[in-house]
Amino acid sequence: DADVTQTPRNRITKTGKRIMLECSQTKGHDRMYWYRQDPGLGLRLIYYSFDVKDINKGEISDGYSVSRQAQAKFSLSLESAIPNQTALYFCATSDLGLAGGYNEQFFGPGTRLTVL
Amino acid sequence: AQRVTQPEKLLSVFKGAPVELKCNYSYSGSPELFWYVQYSRQRLQLLLRHISRESIKGFTADLNKGETSFHLKKPFAQEEDSAMYYCALLLSGGYQKVTFGTGTKLQVIP
Repeated sequence: DADVTQTPRNRITKTGKRIMLECSQTKGHDRMYWYRQDPGLGLRLIYYSFDVKDINKGEISDGYSVSRQAQAKFSLSLESAIPNQTALYFCATSDLGLAGGYNEQFFGPGTRLTVL
Repeated sequence: AQRVTQPEKLLSVFKGAPVELKCNYSYSGSPELFWYVQYSRQRLQLLLRHISRESIKGFTADLNKGETSFHLKKPFAQEEDSAMYYCALLLSGGYQKVTFGTGTKLQVIP
């Protein structure tokens, strides 16, 4: 879905470097998420945000930080990248479902990050 | 703990054969489950959710609370079904998070 974009699409960096991955959406959704995908481990939630003032840790937040600059933007930072953070990173957005329930998530194309 | 298990990393079937992608979950509350699919060079997208009780692209999935399963089925596989499939469970609490399984790659052999 072209409404959720991620930059960069590919990045190679060195251990210890600071990296920022950006996510933008034009869907008008309040909820945004960052996941990482590793072979054999599926998708794991790093951070999520339900509005600009609401940031929450997911299951694997150590080594990561996020910033919700606006409703449409949600950035993921690796303050000091390490090799085991090499993965495919996905941003996703969703809206509030009926009666506050779950609504499907729309995913970005992913950012392939390699930490040497 | 809430967990989703997809025991098969890879499932290969011939075109026209039935498909069953397994998903088991552990959850103490009332589960809400989904299947997401990622086709080659495409984004991860929702395929179906159990509360909708619908068939999408010929796929169906029935929630079996007794067996804590939500297997994805299709009677006759097509080549375009080749993709990565993820089962997902909605977590309890106010934040409406989902936890994903590890995924199963479906390969349909022509």
